[in-house]
Amino acid sequence: DTAVSQTPKYLVTQMGNDKSIKCEQNLGHDTMYWYKQDSKKFLKIMFSYNNKELIINETVPNRFSPKSPDKAHLNLHINSLELGDSAVYFCASSQGVHQPQHFGDGTRLSIL
Amino acid sequence: QKEVEQDPGPLSVPEGAIVSLNCTYSNSAFQYFMWYRQYSRKGPELLMYTYSSGNKEDGRFTAQVDKSSKYISLFIRDSQPSDSATYLCAMSTPNTGNQFYFGTGTSLTVIP
Repeated sequence: DTAVSQTPKYLVTQMGNDKSIKCEQNLGHDTMYWYKQDSKKFLKIMFSYNNKELIINETVPNRFSPKSPDKAHLNLHINSLELGDSAVYFCASSQGVHQPQHFGDGTRLSIL
Repeated sequence: QKEVEQDPGPLSVPEGAIVSLNCTYSNSAFQYFMWYRQYSRKGPELLMYTYSSGNKEDGRFTAQVDKSSKYISLFIRDSQPSDSATYLCAMSTPNTGNQFYFGTGTSLTVIP
Protein backbone atom coordinates (compact mmCIF):
# COMPACT_ATOMS: atom_id res chain seq x y z
CA ASP A 1 0.00 0.00 0.00
CA THR A 2 2.95 2.31 -0.77
CA ALA A 3 1.68 5.84 -1.48
CA VAL A 4 4.29 6.87 -4.07
CA SER A 5 6.21 4.05 -5.69
CA GLN A 6 9.08 4.24 -8.15
CA THR A 7 10.68 1.57 -10.27
CA PRO A 8 13.39 0.58 -10.50
CA LYS A 9 15.05 1.34 -7.14
CA TYR A 10 18.51 0.97 -8.64
CA LEU A 11 19.65 1.56 -12.20
CA VAL A 12 23.22 0.95 -13.30
CA THR A 13 23.93 1.55 -16.96
CA GLN A 14 26.53 2.69 -19.44
CA MET A 15 27.04 6.18 -20.80
CA GLY A 16 25.05 6.82 -23.95
CA ASN A 17 22.19 4.44 -23.11
CA ASP A 18 18.52 5.40 -22.87
CA LYS A 19 16.57 4.52 -19.73
CA SER A 20 13.17 5.12 -18.14
CA ILE A 21 11.99 5.48 -14.55
CA LYS A 22 8.36 4.91 -13.63
CA CYS A 23 6.32 6.49 -10.86
CA GLU A 24 2.84 5.76 -9.58
CA GLN A 25 0.87 7.33 -6.72
CA ASN A 26 -2.28 5.93 -5.11
CA LEU A 27 -3.10 9.02 -3.02
CA GLY A 28 -5.53 10.50 -5.52
CA HIS A 29 -3.32 13.59 -5.90
CA ASP A 30 -3.57 15.80 -8.97
CA THR A 31 0.05 16.98 -9.13
CA MET A 32 3.24 14.98 -9.58
CA TYR A 33 6.91 15.94 -9.67
CA TRP A 34 10.37 14.74 -10.53
CA TYR A 35 13.31 15.86 -8.39
CA LYS A 36 17.04 15.21 -8.70
CA GLN A 37 19.11 14.83 -5.52
CA ASP A 38 22.86 15.12 -5.97
CA SER A 39 25.62 13.63 -3.84
CA LYS A 40 25.44 16.61 -1.47
CA LYS A 41 21.76 15.91 -0.79
CA PHE A 42 20.60 19.01 -2.66
CA LEU A 43 17.04 18.38 -3.92
CA LYS A 44 16.17 20.27 -7.10
CA ILE A 45 12.89 20.17 -8.96
CA MET A 46 13.00 19.08 -12.59
CA PHE A 47 9.37 18.82 -13.68
CA SER A 48 5.87 19.23 -12.29
CA TYR A 49 2.65 17.97 -13.83
CA ASN A 50 -0.85 19.02 -12.80
CA ASN A 51 -3.72 16.93 -14.15
CA LYS A 52 -1.40 15.52 -16.82
CA GLU A 53 -0.25 18.98 -17.95
CA LEU A 54 3.29 20.26 -17.56
CA ILE A 55 3.37 23.30 -15.23
CA ILE A 56 7.02 23.47 -14.17
CA ASN A 57 9.91 22.68 -16.44
CA GLU A 58 13.14 23.76 -14.86
CA THR A 59 16.29 24.12 -16.89
CA VAL A 60 17.14 20.52 -17.53
CA PRO A 61 18.70 19.08 -20.68
CA ASN A 62 16.14 18.09 -23.29
CA ARG A 63 17.52 14.56 -23.01
CA PHE A 64 15.09 14.31 -20.07
CA SER A 65 11.46 13.89 -21.11
CA PRO A 66 8.61 13.37 -18.66
CA LYS A 67 5.38 11.68 -19.67
CA SER A 68 2.15 11.55 -17.71
CA PRO A 69 -0.33 9.02 -19.15
CA ASP A 70 -2.81 9.78 -16.36
CA LYS A 71 -3.00 11.64 -13.05
CA ALA A 72 -1.62 8.70 -11.10
CA HIS A 73 1.50 8.14 -13.21
CA LEU A 74 4.52 10.21 -14.18
CA ASN A 75 7.40 8.59 -15.99
CA LEU A 76 10.83 9.99 -16.78
CA HIS A 77 12.73 8.99 -19.90
CA ILE A 78 16.39 9.88 -20.26
CA ASN A 79 18.23 9.72 -23.57
CA SER A 80 21.98 9.48 -24.14
CA LEU A 81 22.88 9.17 -20.47
CA GLU A 82 25.94 11.10 -19.27
CA LEU A 83 28.19 10.68 -16.24
CA GLY A 84 26.70 13.82 -14.67
CA ASP A 85 23.25 12.21 -14.65
CA SER A 86 24.33 9.96 -11.79
CA ALA A 87 22.09 10.92 -8.86
CA VAL A 88 19.01 9.87 -6.96
CA TYR A 89 15.77 10.75 -8.75
CA PHE A 90 12.68 11.23 -6.60
CA CYS A 91 9.08 11.23 -7.66
CA ALA A 92 6.58 13.13 -5.49
CA SER A 93 2.91 14.05 -5.50
CA SER A 94 0.65 16.60 -3.83
CA GLN A 95 -3.00 17.59 -3.80
CA GLY A 96 -3.25 21.12 -5.08
CA VAL A 97 -0.96 24.10 -5.16
CA HIS A 98 1.36 24.77 -2.21
CA GLN A 99 0.37 21.55 -0.50
CA PRO A 100 3.14 19.39 0.97
CA GLN A 101 4.60 16.78 -1.31
CA HIS A 102 4.77 13.06 -0.63
CA PHE A 103 7.92 11.41 -1.93
CA GLY A 104 8.80 7.99 -3.22
CA ASP A 105 11.96 6.26 -2.02
CA GLY A 106 14.00 7.26 -5.05
CA THR A 107 15.74 5.64 -7.99
CA ARG A 108 19.51 5.49 -7.65
CA LEU A 109 20.99 5.99 -11.11
CA SER A 110 24.67 5.20 -11.66
CA ILE A 111 26.34 5.79 -15.00
CA LEU A 112 29.44 3.75 -15.77
CA GLN B 1 23.20 33.09 -3.51
CA LYS B 2 20.91 30.11 -3.00
CA GLU B 3 17.26 30.76 -2.26
CA VAL B 4 17.47 28.68 0.93
CA GLU B 5 20.53 28.19 3.14
CA GLN B 6 20.88 25.38 5.64
CA ASP B 7 23.89 24.32 7.69
CA PRO B 8 24.74 20.78 6.53
CA GLY B 9 26.19 19.78 9.90
CA PRO B 10 26.80 17.04 10.85
CA LEU B 11 25.14 17.60 14.19
CA SER B 12 25.66 15.06 16.95
CA VAL B 13 23.72 15.19 20.25
CA PRO B 14 23.16 12.85 23.21
CA GLU B 15 19.79 11.15 23.61
CA GLY B 16 17.29 13.38 25.41
CA ALA B 17 18.83 16.64 24.19
CA ILE B 18 16.87 19.45 22.58
CA VAL B 19 17.84 19.86 18.95
CA SER B 20 17.56 23.11 17.02
CA LEU B 21 17.69 23.04 13.21
CA ASN B 22 17.58 26.22 11.16
CA CYS B 23 17.21 27.62 7.67
CA THR B 24 17.57 31.12 6.33
CA TYR B 25 16.15 32.41 3.09
CA SER B 26 16.43 35.42 0.83
CA ASN B 27 13.00 35.65 -0.83
CA SER B 28 10.62 37.64 1.37
CA ALA B 29 7.68 36.32 -0.69
CA PHE B 30 7.99 32.80 0.78
CA GLN B 31 4.77 31.99 2.63
CA TYR B 32 4.67 28.19 2.88
CA PHE B 33 7.26 26.41 4.99
CA MET B 34 7.93 22.73 5.49
CA TRP B 35 10.31 20.43 7.31
CA TYR B 36 11.09 16.99 5.98
CA ARG B 37 13.01 14.11 7.54
CA GLN B 38 15.01 11.84 5.28
CA TYR B 39 16.43 8.53 6.46
CA SER B 40 19.30 6.97 4.57
CA ARG B 41 18.18 5.47 1.24
CA LYS B 42 14.62 6.71 1.72
CA GLY B 43 12.56 9.57 0.36
CA PRO B 44 11.89 12.76 2.35
CA GLU B 45 8.99 12.40 4.78
CA LEU B 46 6.92 15.43 5.77
CA LEU B 47 7.22 16.44 9.44
CA MET B 48 5.76 19.92 9.65
CA TYR B 49 3.89 22.33 7.37
CA THR B 50 3.20 25.95 8.28
CA TYR B 51 1.79 28.94 6.50
CA SER B 52 3.21 32.42 7.09
CA SER B 53 4.62 33.28 10.52
CA GLY B 54 4.24 31.73 13.94
CA ASN B 55 4.75 28.45 15.74
CA LYS B 56 3.34 25.00 15.23
CA GLU B 57 3.73 22.08 17.59
CA ASP B 58 3.29 18.37 16.90
CA GLY B 59 4.38 16.01 19.64
CA ARG B 60 8.10 16.46 20.24
CA PHE B 61 8.47 18.73 17.19
CA THR B 62 7.98 22.50 17.07
CA ALA B 63 8.32 24.59 13.92
CA GLN B 64 8.90 28.34 14.11
CA VAL B 65 8.78 30.90 11.32
CA ASP B 66 10.23 34.39 11.74
CA LYS B 67 9.48 36.20 8.51
CA SER B 68 11.01 39.48 9.67
CA SER B 69 14.38 37.73 10.00
CA LYS B 70 13.77 35.31 7.10
CA TYR B 71 14.55 32.45 9.44
CA ILE B 72 12.80 29.19 10.22
CA SER B 73 13.57 26.64 12.91
CA LEU B 74 12.66 23.11 13.86
CA PHE B 75 13.03 22.08 17.50
CA ILE B 76 13.09 18.45 18.56
CA ARG B 77 12.53 17.80 22.27
CA ASP B 78 13.70 14.68 24.07
CA SER B 79 15.62 13.54 21.01
CA GLN B 80 15.77 9.82 20.33
CA PRO B 81 18.22 7.67 18.34
CA SER B 82 15.38 7.14 15.85
CA ASP B 83 15.52 10.88 15.09
CA SER B 84 18.94 10.33 13.46
CA ALA B 85 18.38 11.42 9.87
CA THR B 86 18.86 14.33 7.49
CA TYR B 87 16.40 17.19 7.98
CA LEU B 88 15.43 19.31 4.99
CA CYS B 89 13.60 22.61 5.04
CA ALA B 90 11.49 23.66 2.06
CA MET B 91 9.48 26.74 1.17
CA SER B 92 7.46 28.33 -1.62
CA THR B 93 5.70 31.54 -2.59
CA PRO B 94 2.10 31.99 -3.76
CA ASN B 95 3.43 32.93 -7.19
CA THR B 96 5.67 29.98 -7.97
CA GLY B 97 2.96 27.46 -8.56
CA ASN B 98 3.95 24.14 -7.08
CA GLN B 99 7.67 24.86 -6.97
CA PHE B 100 9.27 24.34 -3.59
CA TYR B 101 12.82 25.41 -2.80
CA PHE B 102 14.74 23.02 -0.58
CA GLY B 103 17.67 23.52 1.75
CA THR B 104 20.59 21.13 1.42
CA GLY B 105 19.68 19.34 4.64
CA THR B 106 21.26 18.98 8.11
CA SER B 107 22.55 15.56 9.11
CA LEU B 108 21.61 14.72 12.71
CA THR B 109 22.90 11.85 14.85
CA VAL B 110 21.38 11.19 18.28
CA ILE B 111 23.74 9.13 20.39
CA PRO B 112 22.19 6.64 22.85
